[in-house]
Amino acid sequence: GAVVSQHPSRVICKSGTSVKIECRSLDFQATTMFWYRQFPKQSLMLMATSNEGSKATYEQGVEKDKFLINHASLTLSTLTVTSAHPEDSSFYICSTAWAYGYTFGSGTRLTVV
Amino acid sequence: AQSVAQPEDQVNVAEGNPLTVKCTYSVSGNPYLFWYVQYPNRGLQFLLKYITGDNLVKGSYGFEAEFNKSQTSFHLKKPSALVSDSALYFCAVRDSETSYDKVIFGPGTSLSVIP
Repeated sequence: GAVVSQHPSRVICKSGTSVKIECRSLDFQATTMFWYRQFPKQSLMLMATSNEGSKATYEQGVEKDKFLINHASLTLSTLTVTSAHPEDSSFYICSTAWAYGYTFGSGTRLTVV
Repeated sequence: AQSVAQPEDQVNVAEGNPLTVKCTYSVSGNPYLFWYVQYPNRGLQFLLKYITGDNLVKGSYGFEAEFNKSQTSFHLKKPSALVSDSALYFCAVRDSETSYDKVIFGPGTSLSVIP
């Protein structure tokens, strides 16, 4: 089945620094990648959708300049949290569609101190 | 707008008893419905989906869900709960109103199976 590898699984960074999260599709080509954010005990909120070779589509209220998304190839999509602040601390999950549904990365726990 | 509701934040059930996690939806057109399970600090695992066909869908780990069009529901069920079923469960619908088929998640239901 389709596997999405997400790294890192956990990261702690200082306030003001940037953090990059990678999602790779291991055995298939992902033309679209969905990026979600999840606060504790809450649902997944879609932040943006990346499309290979074109600009990402951001959901309303999500800052494009803060959450930079790149989808440079059919197997790699990245989310960069720029100038991170403690309120950006959250669980970030990527997902992509394939023939039998949607597959998810294992998530990244970001803690900004 | 398309949406998914899970009316119960928390469901508690004794081990060995049947469990039900409720989900209702609102979509335009034909619904594509999913159930996912999430364990702490992990991504989501696919349980089952309904696209068309039989209203009773069987999925992973002994779970099943019944699609009810008249009640716009897609409740998740299991005949005999295990302690290891304790997790967060999400009902989801594919948003067919966008060109890239994003998924809309319900708020989640925390299931606790009591030994």
